[in-house]
Amino acid sequence: DTAVSQTPKYLVTQMGNDKSIKCEQNLGHDTMYWYKQDSKKFLKIMFSYNNKELIINETVPNRFSPKSPDKAHLNLHINSLELGDSAVYFCASSQWEGKETQYFGPGTRLLVL
Amino acid sequence: TQLLEQSPQFLSIQEGENLTVYCNSSSVFSSLQWYRQEPGEGPVLLVTVVTGGEVKKLKRLTFQFGDARKDSSLHITAAQPGDTGLYLCAGPRLTNYGGSQGNLIFGKGTKLSVKP
Repeated sequence: DTAVSQTPKYLVTQMGNDKSIKCEQNLGHDTMYWYKQDSKKFLKIMFSYNNKELIINETVPNRFSPKSPDKAHLNLHINSLELGDSAVYFCASSQWEGKETQYFGPGTRLLVL
Repeated sequence: TQLLEQSPQFLSIQEGENLTVYCNSSSVFSSLQWYRQEPGEGPVLLVTVVTGGEVKKLKRLTFQFGDARKDSSLHITAAQPGDTGLYLCAGPRLTNYGGSQGNLIFGKGTKLSVKP
């Protein structure tokens, strides 16, 4: 069983489109995260949710909207995609907020043309 | 601003060689973690160091946390092609009150290539 899963693994789309990435964790963790990894492999936090509530929102354009229907799921919706959004997006989870060990999903490779 | 600087950025060595990767900061961290990321995969936690001066060993990998908890190193003995990957150090972001937030700050990584 995959602990943290993301779909899709690859996403190629045109500029201006709206797309969603889904994440699910079966670890029973309370806290989930979205990270963005750029072409230089730099990983940066975007959002953090604890028990379905947003607790961290870094400086991310409001075209990005996370949604957590329950504590096992954290989805990322992106409106009006731009070329600069091309990156690998990782979902992660930890047992609770402040519990540092995080488990990462396999990533979603987004390419905006 | 908390930053983690990793060096070297790239490392290409022959199988059997030893290597050390460094992770430095001007900030004190309550703990530091090392992750390895293989192509097409997410980062996987290798170790967490918590106490200043702590040394942890994971087979051929030795991790050390600096006495002042501002730096860490990863030493690999007799590197093998299977060690190839991106090595990332990470630490919890501090809140304004000195406690740890849940999200991690990552270094920019060291890309290691071990040739047979």
